[in-house]
Amino acid sequence: GENVEQHPSTLSVQEGDSAVIKCTYSDSASNYFPWYKQELGKRPQLIIDIRSNVGEKKDQRIAVTLNKTAKHFSLHITETQPEDSAVYFCAASLNYGQNFVFGPGTRLSVLP
Amino acid sequence: DAGVIQSPRHEVTEMGQEVTLRCKLISGHNSLFWYRQTMMRGLELLIYFNNNVPIDDSGMPEDRFSAKMPNASFSTLKIQPSEPRDSAVYFCASPYANTGELFFGEGSRLTVL
Repeated sequence: GENVEQHPSTLSVQEGDSAVIKCTYSDSASNYFPWYKQELGKRPQLIIDIRSNVGEKKDQRIAVTLNKTAKHFSLHITETQPEDSAVYFCAASLNYGQNFVFGPGTRLSVLP
Repeated sequence: DAGVIQSPRHEVTEMGQEVTLRCKLISGHNSLFWYRQTMMRGLELLIYFNNNVPIDDSGMPEDRFSAKMPNASFSTLKIQPSEPRDSAVYFCASPYANTGELFFGEGSRLTVL
């Protein structure tokens, strides 16, 4: 089955700096890669996603890149703000809507 | 988001008791996932259903856990008998049929004493 790894497990950055979180997956058939943000005590919520026919996608300060050959994808957050502090999860899915497998998560702390 | 509704939000029970967690889908969903979240193991996929049929239950930890989806909008996750190590937040999630975006319910926080 699919296995998703995620690094780093914790990340601290100064406000205004950039943050990068990286994930790898094992099943080359996976074709949908969402990223979720989970604030303390709340449910995970989708912040951005990318499908396998696209190499990069951007939404304001957030961007995701995908390298299908290497089977890895990354989340980039620019101009970080304290409200970006949360746990971020990557996931891989086959034929989106099937068998979402999540990475272990990255705890991001943005220091004022 | 009102698309996925879980109950109860919090449950405290004693070891050995039966626990039933519920998940209701409002509309526009065709699959359902149950996840367990703990600090140690993160988000673990327990089981997922497609068109009410269990597709993959390899994540169900042991026979004490069972899940059903009797119709397209409702599912239950049952633990019998419960043990302290079952304490966790249990999430139900479902993708919108049109986009595949996975929506999570607000979770059920289970504490087994």
